[in-house]
Amino acid sequence: GAVVSQHPSRVICKSGTSVKIECRSLDFQATTMFWYRQFPKQSLMLMATSNEGSKATYEQGVEKDKFLINHASLTLSTLTVTSAHPEDSSFYICSARGVVNTEAFFGQGTRLTVV
Amino acid sequence: AQTVTQSQPEMSVQEAETVTLSCTYDTSESDYYLFWYKQPPSRQMILVIRQEAYKQQNATENRFSVNFQKAAKSFSLKISDSQLGDAAMYFCAYSRGEHYGGSQGNLIFGKGTKLSVKP
Repeated sequence: GAVVSQHPSRVICKSGTSVKIECRSLDFQATTMFWYRQFPKQSLMLMATSNEGSKATYEQGVEKDKFLINHASLTLSTLTVTSAHPEDSSFYICSARGVVNTEAFFGQGTRLTVV
Repeated sequence: AQTVTQSQPEMSVQEAETVTLSCTYDTSESDYYLFWYKQPPSRQMILVIRQEAYKQQNATENRFSVNFQKAAKSFSLKISDSQLGDAAMYFCAYSRGEHYGGSQGNLIFGKGTKLSVKP
């Protein structure tokens, strides 16, 4: 399958600071990328969908000003958690999809800890 | 709204035996996909099997097969000849089809079933 790389795998940041997570498709052009959040021992919840060159579409209840998503190229999407608070601590996972009617491939995930 | 329900928080199987994981879903749409994903301790999501709603034939992938009962909105996963490496969290997931503006990427997940494999 196609490879999606997510970086960093772990990050610790201080409360009030911002942190950026990158999601890259290494061997295909990702027209659409998806960002999920997974709390400990829970399921994945879709946060937003981004298409290259367009504004992201956020799921209900997700603060777009807090979770900034940029999909400026066909191989890179970024999620920036702004003014992070301890309750933002979670596991964030991206997935990327190429042409229509193909599966989306997942990155390795990023564990964010806000102290 | 679409929902996915996995009623078995944990399951256990003896190595080389067969185990079935349950999943039910609710939707009013006719165009959709169903998936089973595996999440091992590394937390990397791995696609196990995929079913397109309009296909009546149950999907199979080597030791993994599904029982897709569309009328009952049931989508169970059968793992045959279980191996130690099958131990993981298994998530059932739903995505809307392209007819409804969906894709195979914006997934609705169930809460997961933790599978243990005993040697």
